[in-house]
Amino acid sequence: DGGITQSPKYLFRKEGQNVTLSCEQNLNHDAMYWYRQDPGQGLRLIYYSQIVNDFQKGDIAEGYSVSREKKESFPLTVTSAQKNPTAFYLCASSIRREVGETQYFGPGTRLLVL
Amino acid sequence: AQKITQTQPGMFVQEKEAVTLDCTYDTSDPSYGLFWYKQPSSGEMIFLIYQGSYDQQNATEGRYSLNFQKARKSANLVISASQLGDSAMYFCAMSPVGRGSTLGRLYFGRGTQLTVWP
Repeated sequence: DGGITQSPKYLFRKEGQNVTLSCEQNLNHDAMYWYRQDPGQGLRLIYYSQIVNDFQKGDIAEGYSVSREKKESFPLTVTSAQKNPTAFYLCASSIRREVGETQYFGPGTRLLVL
Repeated sequence: AQKITQTQPGMFVQEKEAVTLDCTYDTSDPSYGLFWYKQPSSGEMIFLIYQGSYDQQNATEGRYSLNFQKARKSANLVISASQLGDSAMYFCAMSPVGRGSTLGRLYFGRGTQLTVWP
């Protein structure tokens, strides 16, 4: 079945540690996105990528980094510079980055700081 | 700046009744898209319905319809014949035409928690 997978479902981070969240899609979509969701709030855009080896910062990119070496994969690293990383992280993809293109989401990863 | 407002933090509806979830938006772009997503307690965002700003007719998808009033910048979601499985958080989102970096991105409201009771 085509879709978006995210792993792990739950992730624990220690102080000063970098952690990487995985996002894989087999929909043959060009565009991929990372969002952060905090309780009682909508989704906020962290990074997005329109094509392999290209990505752009969203509204809250500080403390995060991404790579897009393959069309199918768009991993997000939460660095130690991100002081409040506890949140729900959602990855999404769309055929292309245009108005009206539906974004489809993965199941999400919950990140908790120990 | 793009802004999505959902004024109802929570809504309650009895099973089999219809319910309307409100969404207003603010944009200066002439062309944009409006989306509704459902987020059950599991967390995954499920796409429900889409409305383009130039579409003449309101979008419908099964039990979901979008009451689009362009002059009022309103895009309310109507769920007919509510089911217990409809209990979830619902998000309104907008995709402006933008320029450059804003093209195709989604701006989300804070969501409305819908509870369907028997």
